[in-house]
Amino acid sequence: DSGVTQTPKHLITATGQRVTLRCSPRSGDLSVYWYQQSLDQGLQFLIQYYNGEERAKGNILERFSAQQFPDLHSELNLSSLELGDSALYFCASSADLPPYTFGSGTRLTVV
Amino acid sequence: GQNIDQPTEMTATEGAIVQINCTYQTSGFNGLFWYQQHAGEAPTFLSYNVLDGLEEKGRFSSFLSRSKGYSYLLLKELQMKDSASYLCAVRDWGNTDKLIFGTGTRLQVFP
Repeated sequence: DSGVTQTPKHLITATGQRVTLRCSPRSGDLSVYWYQQSLDQGLQFLIQYYNGEERAKGNILERFSAQQFPDLHSELNLSSLELGDSALYFCASSADLPPYTFGSGTRLTVV
Repeated sequence: GQNIDQPTEMTATEGAIVQINCTYQTSGFNGLFWYQQHAGEAPTFLSYNVLDGLEEKGRFSSFLSRSKGYSYLLLKELQMKDSASYLCAVRDWGNTDKLIFGTGTRLQVFP
């Protein structure tokens, strides 16, 4: 157990739907990062939050949004889902500096 | 921007030594990381280089040359369980500490 908790582990949903992925960072970590990993693709950076505020944004689609709450857990919202959004979504957390610790991921399948 | 290149696949024999190369072209640089990822699982941290030279950690070593934009991960005494993808990542520069990942090198170890 890495200490970073992601729920749910698996999610199957239809095109056009909206889902929410949840991440609880390791105790004491203020930074949360979201990554997308499609089949045979590298980890694509989506967004970073630090202590409740957005710090960096990657190639995150407008249909996707995220937030970090006062208790430091984070949620990634994916809407108007398309088949191409099927992927593994990882959350990672860190204290002031890397390395990150990754959660076990949420496997999203859009049908 | 950031461009990180790694070989897509490599094969090796149990007990052998393998070197996985990574080259990067980045607008800024603040450290290079190596992660191991088994299929469908979370990446796990292996090593970190911020200064030129070799960092050794058990059977794994990582080397960095900042002037050449080059790193390698050296795995010794290969075991079957080392079959995995190895991800090279560069830490971004500036206000964010996000990691930009290469697409990874899939290593297969044969008996």
